[in-house]
Amino acid sequence: DIQMTQSPSTLSASIGDRVTITCRASQSLGLWLAWYQQRPGTAPNLLIYQASTLESGVPSRFSGSGSGTEFTLTISSLQPDDVATYYCQQYLLYPPLTFGGGTKVEIK
Amino acid sequence: QVQLVQSGAEVKEPGASVKVSCKVFGSMSSMHWVRQTRDKGFEWMGGFDHGDGEKVYAEKFQGRVTMTDDRITNTAYMDLSGLRSEDTAIYYCVTDPSTRGFFKQWGQGTLVTVSS
Repeated sequence: DIQMTQSPSTLSASIGDRVTITCRASQSLGLWLAWYQQRPGTAPNLLIYQASTLESGVPSRFSGSGSGTEFTLTISSLQPDDVATYYCQQYLLYPPLTFGGGTKVEIK
Repeated sequence: QVQLVQSGAEVKEPGASVKVSCKVFGSMSSMHWVRQTRDKGFEWMGGFDHGDGEKVYAEKFQGRVTMTDDRITNTAYMDLSGLRSEDTAIYYCVTDPSTRGFFKQWGQGTLVTVSS
């Protein structure tokens, strides 16, 4: 199975800050990586797929980059609505599809 | 825009089975099931394999899980048997319209609690 590791597990930042979350894979994924946002008490929402393609309707302050084994999700200017836990997911190989452990983003 | 509406919360005793439904409003494309637990986070349980058009299940759940799609009522079902306390989780149905393995739409989730 492909293992996905996210860092940090929690981060606290101020409104307007640039925020970066890292996701590392145990083997090369090419570009086959997605990012999801899960606000408290709700189901996840797809943010980005193919490492850097923004899903329709997602604010442009979100961006994804990387390839191979290291990927980043960046929020260019943190907003109150962005308080959530963010997850990466590989879809290079399945079964099984696998997820990272999540990064919780809080407002300082 | 596809919408997924799942059945309500369930409480089951160890050893029992649970069947969760997912009504699809819109196109019923490649369906999968994912669960979320406190300990393990998100676990993919199984879904449509675009390679052969059949269902594929995670090895961890093989023999205990059955996923079916009723294309007349546009409803997907996930049946999990032999429940144990570790199966306490929120279960989500999800769609993969691109058939590449990432999930565009999610149901609201169904909490299944396994307790004696």
